[in-house]
Amino acid sequence: DAGVTQSPTHLIKTRGQQVTLRCSPISGHKSVSWYQQVLGQGPQFIFQYYEKEERGRGNFPDRFSARQFPNYSSELNVNALLLGDSALYLCASSLMPGTYNEQFFGPGTRLTVL
Amino acid sequence: GENVEQHPSTLSVQEGDSAVIKCTYSDSASNYFPWYKQELGKGPQLIIDIRSNVGEKKDQRIAVTLNKTAKHFSLHITETQPEDSAVYFCAAVVGSARQLTFGSGTQLTVLP
Repeated sequence: DAGVTQSPTHLIKTRGQQVTLRCSPISGHKSVSWYQQVLGQGPQFIFQYYEKEERGRGNFPDRFSARQFPNYSSELNVNALLLGDSALYLCASSLMPGTYNEQFFGPGTRLTVL
Repeated sequence: GENVEQHPSTLSVQEGDSAVIKCTYSDSASNYFPWYKQELGKGPQLIIDIRSNVGEKKDQRIAVTLNKTAKHFSLHITETQPEDSAVYFCAAVVGSARQLTFGSGTQLTVLP
């Protein structure tokens, strides 16, 4: 069975540009979460979506937005990129939201902002 | 908000020895504590978890202990093998928000 897939694998952008990252959850999983992992640190929660509705949002500026589609895939958008947005962006899927529902992580998208 | 501190940041052990990683959390409402292993170029993978109503859980060479009073939990790996080398993250989930807050990670190196 395919795990969580993310695209693209790597991305290079310049300051001020906009970027869209994509995530396909494990088949049957309806909840998707996004995390930002800066080099040398643990992942930081950005968003959680379930049934196309935002269920949670971390402490990130409004430049970050996301959405979930009817097939449960998801996109993360970041506008007006800053150098500090350079990071590994991880997507995780679970059957549904909830404390004890295991989150399965994808390999991530490495974003570099120059 | 929730804060999770993790120590040490790096840990080197000889193959066959044990490794212990410790984490503390700030919010007494935290009720779920997973541990993740992240290998180079991959996303984190859950290796073991513990709920707040349990003090210890074991799965083969891996065990986790939880002290709710002191608000700390630990990962124990026995009989370490070179393939255990990776970055390990602890995390905590606060019941109402159901969000994972991660520690800063421990780079474990098992020397052959």
